[in-house]
Amino acid sequence: EIVLTQSPGTLSLSPGERATLSCRASQSVSNNYLAWYQQKPGQAPSLLIYGASSRATGIPDRFSGSGSGTDFTLTINRLEPEDFAVYYCQQYGSSPVTFGQGTKVEIK
Amino acid sequence: QVQLHESGPGLVKPSQTLSLTCTVSGGSISSGSYSWSWIRQPAGKGLEWIGHIYTSGNTNYNPSLKSRVTISVDTSKNQFSLKLSSVTAADTAVYYCARTDIVGVWAFDYWGQGTLVTVSS
Repeated sequence: EIVLTQSPGTLSLSPGERATLSCRASQSVSNNYLAWYQQKPGQAPSLLIYGASSRATGIPDRFSGSGSGTDFTLTINRLEPEDFAVYYCQQYGSSPVTFGQGTKVEIK
Repeated sequence: QVQLHESGPGLVKPSQTLSLTCTVSGGSISSGSYSWSWIRQPAGKGLEWIGHIYTSGNTNYNPSLKSRVTISVDTSKNQFSLKLSSVTAADTAVYYCARTDIVGVWAFDYWGQGTLVTVSS
């Protein structure tokens, strides 16, 4: 099983700042099938990034994903008030599908 | 617009079987381009993939739950279902159904809103 470790656990930032979230895999993610999700309280997660760097439909370009192999990054430029949420990475390259433990982006 | 909706009992007794159904609207569950998953999230915790099914009927389960899980599909009703047997309090969680585009995206692109299942006597 591929273990995904996200860091930091919590990121305290102000609107307008840049957020950099890390996701490290215990082994290489096949085909870079690495996705990022945003989850707000009481809601289902929603897809932001797939294939490590492709934005899902309707996702603003302030969200970007990068990385390959075992190290992946989600960057959120110019944080908007609606971006404060929990973010999860997830891999679909190997079974079982696994998620990281999440990074909470909170208002400083 | 594709929508997924979970339904089933919100309260299950310990040792019994949890049964949930996900109804898909706005698209056919029979398309070979997708797989259909169940994912759960205990309160205040992270996400755990339970398993998925293809419209061929092939399934793949999380080894941590494999002995207790059955996922099935009913294409005539555009639904897929989850059965989790011998439940304990540790199975209390919000349960989500989700779709994966297996042609290009390989990620959960549509989710249900989630349903809370509590295991308690």
